[in-house]
Amino acid sequence: AQKVTQAQTEISVVEKEDVTLDCVYETRDTTYYLFWYKQPPSGELVFLIRRNSFDEQNEISGRYSWNFQKSTSSFNFTITASQVVDSAVYFCALSEWTGNQFYFGTGTSLTVIP
Amino acid sequence: DTGVSQNPRHKITKRGQNVTFRCDPISEHNRLYWYRQTLGQGPEFLTYFQNEAQLEKSRLLSDRFSAERPKGSFSTLEIQRTEQGDSAMYLCASSFGGPRGNQPQHFGDGTRLSIL
Repeated sequence: AQKVTQAQTEISVVEKEDVTLDCVYETRDTTYYLFWYKQPPSGELVFLIRRNSFDEQNEISGRYSWNFQKSTSSFNFTITASQVVDSAVYFCALSEWTGNQFYFGTGTSLTVIP
Repeated sequence: DTGVSQNPRHKITKRGQNVTFRCDPISEHNRLYWYRQTLGQGPEFLTYFQNEAQLEKSRLLSDRFSAERPKGSFSTLEIQRTEQGDSAMYLCASSFGGPRGNQPQHFGDGTRLSIL
């Protein structure tokens, strides 16, 4: 079973629009960690944020914000006032307390149109 | 901090040949991971080292695949008797941490393997 689901395959927005990328996860562990990565066209995965399962506080970093809701097993990512440089594939990932590997979703390809 | 380095960036080979990739992690990182990524998919875990010990292997890692990290620094991933299905991007990542994988992994640019 897929542990991380990113149902949105591709999203296009016009520059300066807000966009939310959805991530739903599945785990039996009570302690786990969630991550978001950005993969620009150059290919290198860039770490954006880590969230612990016991910390449900939402986080804002500049134009980026993350909404973690354990009740719905979701960890959504919002980009405010999108820019062309935000165009990339974004991956959500899960790391469980009982293991060492990361489980990645299939990614959401975001295109920001100028 | 020079980041995770992988080489070669691209490898084109004929089916049946052996290939070897190298990964140099961030120097102070004790954990090293190998992933495979195919088009339109997220990275899939292959194997993981804590220092020089290979502690976990995915069932994706068939007996044609072998990974080493002889001195707990750089790592190599070898694929023997390559098949068409091996064509993918092979990603290396490293992190620093204890027994649980709660630290972010830092990725290299990957090695793109194409099998003719």
